Amino acid sequence: EAQVTQNPRYLITVTGKKLTVTCSQNMNHEYMSWYRQDPGLGLRQIYYSMNVEVTDKGDVPEGYKVSRKEKRNFPLILESPSPNQTSLYFCASSFSLANYNEQFFGPGTRLTVL
Amino acid sequence: GEDVEQSLFLSVREGDSSVINCTYTDSSSTYLYWYKQEPGAGLQLLTYIFSNMDMKQDQRLTVLLNKKDKHLSLRIADTQTGDSAIYFCAEKGDSTLGRLYFGRGTQLTVWP
Repeated sequence: EAQVTQNPRYLITVTGKKLTVTCSQNMNHEYMSWYRQDPGLGLRQIYYSMNVEVTDKGDVPEGYKVSRKEKRNFPLILESPSPNQTSLYFCASSFSLANYNEQFFGPGTRLTVL
Repeated sequence: GEDVEQSLFLSVREGDSSVINCTYTDSSSTYLYWYKQEPGAGLQLLTYIFSNMDMKQDQRLTVLLNKKDKHLSLRIADTQTGDSAIYFCAEKGDSTLGRLYFGRGTQLTVWP
C-alpha cells in the first residue's frame, strides 16, 4: 500500500531532550516536507526536500533540523525541544513540485514538550 | 509567504449545502486545492482546480474559482454527517516555487 508513515504517533518529552521523528514513504517520491499544525494557525511548513541531499527551510524552521540521506526517509530532528514546539507534526511527500502533483500526508505525530 | 485566508467554522444541517470560502494573495497561482482532514488523521486531497478554470464539479463537490478576485470556494451538496471535518484551502504558484501554502482550515460541523 502506497503510504507515508511517521513514528512515533505520540510523544511526550521534556525540555532539552533531543528527539527524532521519523518519516518514510514507499512511493519513490522526490519531494518531502514537514509541517506543523497549530490551532487557528493551520499548517506551516518547517523544512522541505526536493531530492536526496537537497533540503531547504520552510516558513518556521527555527529549532528544527532535517536530513535526506535516502530518498524514502526524511527525519525531523529537535536538538533541544522547547514547550513552544508542542504541536501536531505532519510529513508529506509528492512525486515532484511540478503541475498539480498531489501531496500525500502521514498520519501525524502529536508532540508535547513539558 | 503567501496569504491564504479561510473562515474557521461552519455549521450546517444534514442534507443542506455547505459552502466553504477561501481567498489568496498569490497572483501567480497555478493550482488551488482543497484538502480534508478527518479527526485524528492526516490530510487527504479532496479536489483541485487549475488556475485557467472557473469551475470544476466532481459528484457532490463543486469548486468555483474567481481568479480576478482571488477567491476559491468549495460547495458540498447534500452534506452528510460524514463530511464533518476540517477543510484546508491551499495554493501553489510560481512565486512559491511550487510549494503549497495552506489556509488555517475551516471546521465543518454537520448536524443531524
